[in-house]
Amino acid sequence: QKEVEQNSGPLSVPEGAIASLNCTYSDRVSQSFFWYRQYSGKSPELIMSIYSNGDKEDGRFTAQLNKASQYVSLLIRDSQPSDSATYLCAVSGGNDYKLSFGAGTTVTVRA
Amino acid sequence: NAGVMQNPRHLVRRRGQEARLRCSPMKGHSHVYWYRQLPEEGLKFMVYLQKENIIDESGMPKERFSAEFPKEGPSILRIQQVVRGDSAAYFCASSHGLAGFYNEQFFGPGTRLTVL
Repeated sequence: QKEVEQNSGPLSVPEGAIASLNCTYSDRVSQSFFWYRQYSGKSPELIMSIYSNGDKEDGRFTAQLNKASQYVSLLIRDSQPSDSATYLCAVSGGNDYKLSFGAGTTVTVRA
Repeated sequence: NAGVMQNPRHLVRRRGQEARLRCSPMKGHSHVYWYRQLPEEGLKFMVYLQKENIIDESGMPKERFSAEFPKEGPSILRIQQVVRGDSAAYFCASSHGLAGFYNEQFFGPGTRLTVL
């Protein structure tokens, strides 16, 4: 499987701040990149997908992709206590439909 | 507009018994994936299926585990002669199956398997 590395957590940010999550991947043929949010004891929920270099914004979330550096990130603006969760970076591509996941970064937003 | 459905949500088995986990994909989705999340570990791919076909089972243990996605009915992940190490959350995901890009996968609620 493709190797996917995420910055180690946990990450604690105050309410209203920006949470920055990073992810690197090993396989250059990767084409599709996803961020999932997983609350404790729940299933992963897709929050962002990105396929082209650059930024993609959706509400308070911005995903950034740099294929040359094999790097993808997620910014959470105006962090809320409800954003407290584990964020999983996932990668697929080429002829490979399966997702390879990073270990996840746990984010805690302090009220 | 039902999402991915899995049942049972919780399953308790004794060592040596069989576990059957079911997954119905989202409406309009024809591709199903099974992932396993061991306690305090990340999500790991197990198997990828389309109707009546196993496309990729590279992540599934060679023994005791099998999967199917029949023409009619849900996808089934079957674990024979369960051992304590099989205790985990098993998630099913589904996608449209568009080639290459845009393979967005949506996850079901999972089945928490506990082996006593």
